[in-house]
Amino acid sequence: KQEVTQIPAALSVPEGENLVLNCSFTDSAIYNLQWFRQDPGKGLTSLLLIQSSQREQTSGRLNASLDKSSGRSTLYIAASQPGDSATYLCAVRPEGYGNKLVFGAGTILRVKS
Amino acid sequence: DTGVSQDPRHKITKRGQNVTFRCDPISEHNRLYWYRQTLGQGPEFLTYFQNEAQLEKSRLLSDRFSAERPKGSFSTLEIQRTEQGDSAMYLCASSFSGSVYEQFFGPGTRLTVL
Repeated sequence: KQEVTQIPAALSVPEGENLVLNCSFTDSAIYNLQWFRQDPGKGLTSLLLIQSSQREQTSGRLNASLDKSSGRSTLYIAASQPGDSATYLCAVRPEGYGNKLVFGAGTILRVKS
Repeated sequence: DTGVSQDPRHKITKRGQNVTFRCDPISEHNRLYWYRQTLGQGPEFLTYFQNEAQLEKSRLLSDRFSAERPKGSFSTLEIQRTEQGDSAMYLCASSFSGSVYEQFFGPGTRLTVL
């Protein structure tokens, strides 16, 4: 059974700091990995999708890497801003399990001004 | 493209009542998913459709839950005889097959069972 773990559970940083969020998964047989952002009481916004054959994806100040063999992904946020405060969720699409996503519990990020 | 929409956004009901939620996917997407999210947890998969066919159901989807997508467009999720443990955010997502199946989520329906 695929399990996804995110560390840390919560993070508080001053504005302008670069930060790294971690995601690990127990089974390396995945099609892809997605990072999402969720604001309180809201739905999920897709940030980045990395296919299993890729090593990283970038969008603006965000960079996500994938090490499939070791079951790890990181989300790097450069020059953090108060508007980045949200919960960040990592999800994998496992091979052989149809099309569902398996999510971690998320990292709650607070960027202080 | 207006994105995935869900209705209602909030629902408060009494235990034992039936509730129905609606999801309208992105128009060209043929795959539609339902997830449930409780406080402090990531979403958990419930079921998914390709066009009008329901292709996978989670064990979380007890016999009190039923989902339909009659014309391959919008979908409904019904919960019968609601229980307090059903209180959660119900999220809908859609994707286009033939791509990398990137899933796009709606704003969710927050259900509170009193």
